[in-house]
Amino acid sequence: DIQVTQSPSSLSASVGDRVTITCRASQGIRNELGWYQHKPGEAPKRLIHGASNLQSGVPTRFSGSGFGTDFTLTISNLQPEDSATYYCLQRNSYPWRFGQGTKVDIK
Amino acid sequence: QVQLVQSGAEVKQPGSSVTVSCRASRGTFDTYGIDWVRHAPGQGLEWMGRIIPIVNIVKYAQRFQGRLTITADKSTATAYMELNSLTSEDTAMYYCARDGSESYWGRGTQVTVSS
Repeated sequence: DIQVTQSPSSLSASVGDRVTITCRASQGIRNELGWYQHKPGEAPKRLIHGASNLQSGVPTRFSGSGFGTDFTLTISNLQPEDSATYYCLQRNSYPWRFGQGTKVDIK
Repeated sequence: QVQLVQSGAEVKQPGSSVTVSCRASRGTFDTYGIDWVRHAPGQGLEWMGRIIPIVNIVKYAQRFQGRLTITADKSTATAYMELNSLTSEDTAMYYCARDGSESYWGRGTQVTVSS
């Protein structure tokens, strides 16, 4: 099975900051990785698919990069509504697996 | 716009089973995979398994092997998730999702396991 290690587990940043979340897969997964935002009481929302493709309707301050084993989600110009938990999901091979999550707080 | 409509909240006794349904309101059902994801209190998102109805392929996360069954009824565009031998650790919000070029999620079904 492919393991996914996500970091950091939490972070606190100010409005306008740039934040970076990383996921590392235990073996190469090409670009088969998505990023999800999850807010309490809501269904998760996919932000990025194929490692770097922005989902339609998602603000352009969100961006993804990476290929193989190392991936990054960047939030530029952090906004109050970005307070949430973020997860990566590897979908290259079964069983698919989410990262452990990163809780983003706004100072 | 595809909508995934899930069945209502459930309260179950330990040792029993629960079935959650997920009906696609429109769009092509059987050519896309339907995933099941859960979120337990204080935990992260957990991928449970998926079904691709057109080829009837089903995949499960290892930890649920033997007590999770995912099925689909193409005639009603409905997917089902049955989890057996419930314990308190299965108390969670259960979501179905269809992730293709677009991503659609159900609103979730709360399953509470309590005696």
